[in-house]
Amino acid sequence: QTVVTQEPSFSVSPGGTVTLTCGLRSGSVSTSHLPSWYQQTPGQAPRTLISSTNTRSSGVPDRFSGSILGNKAALTITGAQTDDESDYYCVLYMDRGIKIFGGGTKLTVL
Amino acid sequence: EVKLLESGGGLVQPGGSLRLSCATSGFIFSYYDMSWVRQAPGKGLEWVSTVSGRGDSIVYADSVRGRFTISRDNSKNTVYLQMNSLRADDTALYYCAKDSAAATRAFDYWGQGTLVTVSS
Repeated sequence: QTVVTQEPSFSVSPGGTVTLTCGLRSGSVSTSHLPSWYQQTPGQAPRTLISSTNTRSSGVPDRFSGSILGNKAALTITGAQTDDESDYYCVLYMDRGIKIFGGGTKLTVL
Repeated sequence: EVKLLESGGGLVQPGGSLRLSCATSGFIFSYYDMSWVRQAPGKGLEWVSTVSGRGDSIVYADSVRGRFTISRDNSKNTVYLQMNSLRADDTALYYCAKDSAAATRAFDYWGQGTLVTVSS
């Protein structure tokens, strides 16, 4: 069973920089997994931030960026704002069209 | 403007069936894969199934394979999820999501969800 790992929680100060990661319990994440990132605030539908590792969706501020760091996908928020306090999910594309979500990271900005 | 509107959720007994619908507008429906994603109360997101633009390629998560069936009607710009043999752990908010260009395999637009509760 493939498991996608994310930090359960993270905290950042307003104006600070934070990097959330998305890994595989067994193996390395690469661009071939087409990692994507989603933001979800309580009671709302997810919002798409990043696709194909590092392509920002329309309207997403450039303080959000995606990359591969070592053997994981990463979402970096540079200059965090209080509005960024949300849950963040990554998705990896696997064989045969299967997509797997990570467990999500709850980001606190304070 | 892209719009996705789910319907069909409700309360169903264990072992029962339910059919969800997702009506769409604002894009050329047949050009894009469509997916269902669910979220159990207080839990994370879980991909459920994806159907290709022509409906000829379908994939399911292991947790629903054999019980759920995804389909689409390109003449009605609507995607469906037939859910049979429902279990308590299928209780969730079910989101319809439009896939972005095939090369990215990401979701780019989401509906607001329809709640499915499986309970006796």
